[in-house]
Amino acid sequence: EPEVTQTPSHQVTQMGQEVILRCVPISNHLYFYWYRQILGQKVEFLVSFYNNEISEKSEIFDDQFSVERPDGSNFTLKIRSTKLEDSAMYFCASSESRFTQYFGPGTRLTVL
Amino acid sequence: AQRVTQPEKLLSVFKGAPVELKCNYSYSGSPELFWYVQYSRQRLQLLLRHISRESIKGFTADLNKGETSFHLKKPFAQEEDSAMYYCALSGRIQGAQKLVFGQGTRLTINP
Repeated sequence: EPEVTQTPSHQVTQMGQEVILRCVPISNHLYFYWYRQILGQKVEFLVSFYNNEISEKSEIFDDQFSVERPDGSNFTLKIRSTKLEDSAMYFCASSESRFTQYFGPGTRLTVL
Repeated sequence: AQRVTQPEKLLSVFKGAPVELKCNYSYSGSPELFWYVQYSRQRLQLLLRHISRESIKGFTADLNKGETSFHLKKPFAQEEDSAMYYCALSGRIQGAQKLVFGQGTRLTINP
């Protein structure tokens, strides 16, 4: 059964550095999402992406965040200048239709 | 505003006992409700959604619009049901559907 994959599984970075989190959605899916979960808190929506553009973004998704689908298979989340409060688990998800989102295993980002 | 509330962070029951995980929501339109489960060291996966009205692994959930609830139930708990359970809501009619999650309930089934 196809799965969403994410790399790396754990990323450690210094405050102020740029990070790129990578996701490979399921191949025939059309909708792509990023969520994050700060330790002990709920899973929060960041952004959705469809037809090569952002469909919706949350208040969290400010100018330091960007998403890209550079080559038709990868879906990336870039954080330009990381802050301590960006430390969280970041989940990618994809869906073929509007009903079921399939989640990746997550990338744990630690900002020091 | 869209909001999902799961009042219990932790729930512990004995094997064979009934289980009910509570979920209440706030949404002005007609939401779609989901239950996601995360077993230890595994990814979030869809358990069930209200529109399909199905039973998965013995779990059922009924959408009660009057009480704005979508409680998850299972008559006889099994040890393999121990996991983190998230109730989620989606409100858009078309296009990409963002999910709004509750805080999650950690269910522990004791032998």
